[in-house]
Amino acid sequence: SYVLTQPPSVSVAPGQTARITCGGDKIGSKTVHWFQQKPGQAPVVVIYDDTDRPSGIPERFSGTNSGNTATLTISGVEVGDEADYYCQVWDSTSEVVFGGGSKLTV
Amino acid sequence: QITLKESGPTLVKPTQPLTLTCTFSGFSLTTTGVGVGWIRQPPGKALEWLALIYWHDDKRYSPSLKSRLTIAKDTSKNQVVLTMTNMDPVDTATYYCARFTFDILPGPFHHWGRGTPVTVSS
Repeated sequence: SYVLTQPPSVSVAPGQTARITCGGDKIGSKTVHWFQQKPGQAPVVVIYDDTDRPSGIPERFSGTNSGNTATLTISGVEVGDEADYYCQVWDSTSEVVFGGGSKLTV
Repeated sequence: QITLKESGPTLVKPTQPLTLTCTFSGFSLTTTGVGVGWIRQPPGKALEWLALIYWHDDKRYSPSLKSRLTIAKDTSKNQVVLTMTNMDPVDTATYYCARFTFDILPGPFHHWGRGTPVTVSS
């Protein structure tokens, strides 16, 4: 089955840039979605289709996907961005696959 | 406005089955390109996809749980039901249902319910 690998934790100071990676075999050939989940809440899409941002998500959130790594970048990180972040792809064999999640500490 | 809400027992005994219902509004599961999935999250752990059902009634299951899961839709009630057999304490988790759309490729789970907690204990 397809596996997505994320760093367990990422720590940045307010105002800095956070980069959260999602590794997978030839993930660049797949479409990656990113979710933000705050404690006690359901996940929220912050990036879909590798690079698109849903309405209401700040421009500070962006995504890239190439080769074996997809990256969620949060520019000018704010304290309110502190959350768990999950990447997700659709795989032909496993259907839906989530990464293990990354805890962003600001 | 699209909403989804999960319902079901909060406590299940080991070996018993679990039946969860996702009741939704603001869309129809008869509409081409629409689907609903179930995802769970054990306390302090990652999201885990369980199953999904497409508008045309095609169903997909997590390979690791396929033998224990059944998903079905009732379009007249705007509901999707998930059944999981032989529950074990490791199945203790918050269970979410979520809506996705399918164009050329499946999209993300854009709309989620708030989740329902399930504890498996004797």
